[in-house]
Amino acid sequence: NAGVTQTPKFQVLKTGQSMTLQCAQDMNHEYMSWYRQDPGMGLRLIHYSVGAGITDQGEVPNGYNVSRSTTEDFPLRLLSAAPSQTSVYFCASRLEGTFNSPLHFGNGTRLTVT
Amino acid sequence: AQTVTQSQPEMSVQEAETVTLSCTYDTSESDYYLFWYKQPPSRQMILVIRQEAYKQQNATENRFSVNFQKAAKSFSLKISDSQLGDAAMYFCAYELSGAGSYQLTFGKGTKLSVIP
Repeated sequence: NAGVTQTPKFQVLKTGQSMTLQCAQDMNHEYMSWYRQDPGMGLRLIHYSVGAGITDQGEVPNGYNVSRSTTEDFPLRLLSAAPSQTSVYFCASRLEGTFNSPLHFGNGTRLTVT
Repeated sequence: AQTVTQSQPEMSVQEAETVTLSCTYDTSESDYYLFWYKQPPSRQMILVIRQEAYKQQNATENRFSVNFQKAAKSFSLKISDSQLGDAAMYFCAYELSGAGSYQLTFGKGTKLSVIP
């Protein structure tokens, strides 16, 4: 199994540009989520989904959009990138219904907005 | 809101020695989970150990063990016989137990260096 796959690994954007960070998992996990990691801040939840067609906001959702059309994929969209969105982004998934089962993380995407 | 505090931004340990990383958390709930994640330079987040709050027995995983003090809201990680591969950022995390719990709250991390 590939687990959780994130693409791209690195990305540089100019302020105002848009892009989509891709996340796919092959473990048939219902729950998927996006976190951002900033120096000295730990990881913070952006958005999450508990199944296809269902999404909700986390702690820091502003400036990001998500959708969940399939169980496998959970893309994160930046509509108009800002320097404050420079960060490392992690996608994570787990089985829903098995309460508090461990999260499986992707390897992250390092995004720089200039 | 729950908060997780790691008061040691950086720590170092001699190879083969023991080190303890501190974590405290604030919650009004009684049923929750606590985790330690390791993030090596490769950036991957790796689950090290997890503790259910309803269990009094401290969790252990090989060289890794925790000291869980529920009343004190403390959850420290002990690494025995430290190895060079243990060098990484370590994050403590909290999650409310049960259905509808969808968010891990992370501490800011402790950077562990292992000295040969």
